[in-house]
Formats: sequence, structure tokens, C-alpha cells
Amino acid sequence: DVKVTQSSRYLVKRTGEKVFLECVQDMDHENMFWYRQDPGLGLRLIYFSYDVKMKEKGDIPEGYSVSREKKERFSLILESASTNQTSMYLCASTRVLSEKLFFGSGTQLSVL
Amino acid sequence: AQSVTQLDSHVSVSEGTPVLLRCNYSSSYSPSLFWYVQHPNKGLQLLLKYTSAATLVKGINGFEAEFKKSETSFHLTKPSAHMSDAAEYFCVVRTKYNFNKFYFGSGTKLNVKP
Repeated sequence: DVKVTQSSRYLVKRTGEKVFLECVQDMDHENMFWYRQDPGLGLRLIYFSYDVKMKEKGDIPEGYSVSREKKERFSLILESASTNQTSMYLCASTRVLSEKLFFGSGTQLSVL
Repeated sequence: AQSVTQLDSHVSVSEGTPVLLRCNYSSSYSPSLFWYVQHPNKGLQLLLKYTSAATLVKGINGFEAEFKKSETSFHLTKPSAHMSDAAEYFCVVRTKYNFNKFYFGSGTKLNVKP
């Protein structure tokens, strides 16, 4: 089975801190995604990457950046965390042109 | 532009009764449509998908959905609810124009009463 692993299940940070969320997939997928999930809003795409060092902005990229130095790893970076970035963050991966997203278990980030 | 509207944020049914979760989409191009399910404290899982083949799509755990182009709908149904169906369900659209973008609806929480 495909495994998408997010490094932390729960994370608590302070306003202004730099935050790194890590995601690793083990099935050689080309595409990787970062979403945030908020009640009543569903999942909103922050960034996705279609290859190493390649990235494209999603619908809500402000306040975030990403890094993909290796195919299996996709990092989400909050340069200066703010309270409105408190959310559940979900990583996903898929093969190019595939219809099936594989999701990690999520990281619940609280920014105080 | 692509968008998905899930008409109900919460649906409550009794065990053994039918389930209907409603989804309408907006897409400028021929869409692919999906339903994903998220059980509490678990990752999202693909339930079923429509990709321009048969309009009635069968998924896992007895769920099915019908693509109706004239109504721009893709409602999810199940004849008989089970307690284990309690979860949050997301309708998702993707277009042939941009395979990399999956647009999620706001979700419907299904509660199943004994």
C-alpha cells in the first residue's frame, strides 16, 4: 500500500515562529500536494509540486512556501506563523494523470 | 472556473435507511468527479470516481453516485446505512484542462443513528 507520512500529528507553535511541516511518500509519485482543512471550508490547496524543485501555487499560498529537493519529500514552510494559520494540514500524493490522491493522516497545527 | 457545492453540511440517518449526500459542480470543461471519505482521525480515502465512462458509478462499501450533466450533479447514495458509514464525505472535481488541481467541496458530515 502507498504510504504518505506526515512527521507530526500535533504541533503547537508561537506567533512569529518559522514552522516546517514534512511529508514523505514511498511510491515514487510525481505529484505532491499540501492542503489545509478548516471546518465548513473543506480542503483548500496551498501548493503542489509536479517534480523535484518544481512547484505551483494553489488557491491560498499567502504566508506559505514549499520545498521539494527530493522526489519523495515535500515540505511546507510557514515563514512567520500567525494565529490564522491554525488548521489541519494534509499532504497528498499521486502519479501524474492519476485520479487517486493518497493522503497522509494530517498535522493539526495550533499557533498561539 | 471550477467549483463544488455540497448542499448539506450535516446529514443524519437511522441505521438501515437510505443515504443521500448531495453535490453540485461547476466546470468549464469535461470534469472528473470523485467522492472521498474521512473517518474520524483517519486520512481521506477515495470512495468512487467518475471519469466520463458509465454515468452510474459504484464505489466501495455499497456506495454509488450518478453523474447527471443536465443537472450538474453527482449525488452520493447508499441503500442502507451502517454505523460504520459515519464520517465526513467530500465531493471533488477535476478538469481535463488542469489535471493537477482537485477542487474539494466543503464536506458533509454523516451521522448514523442506531
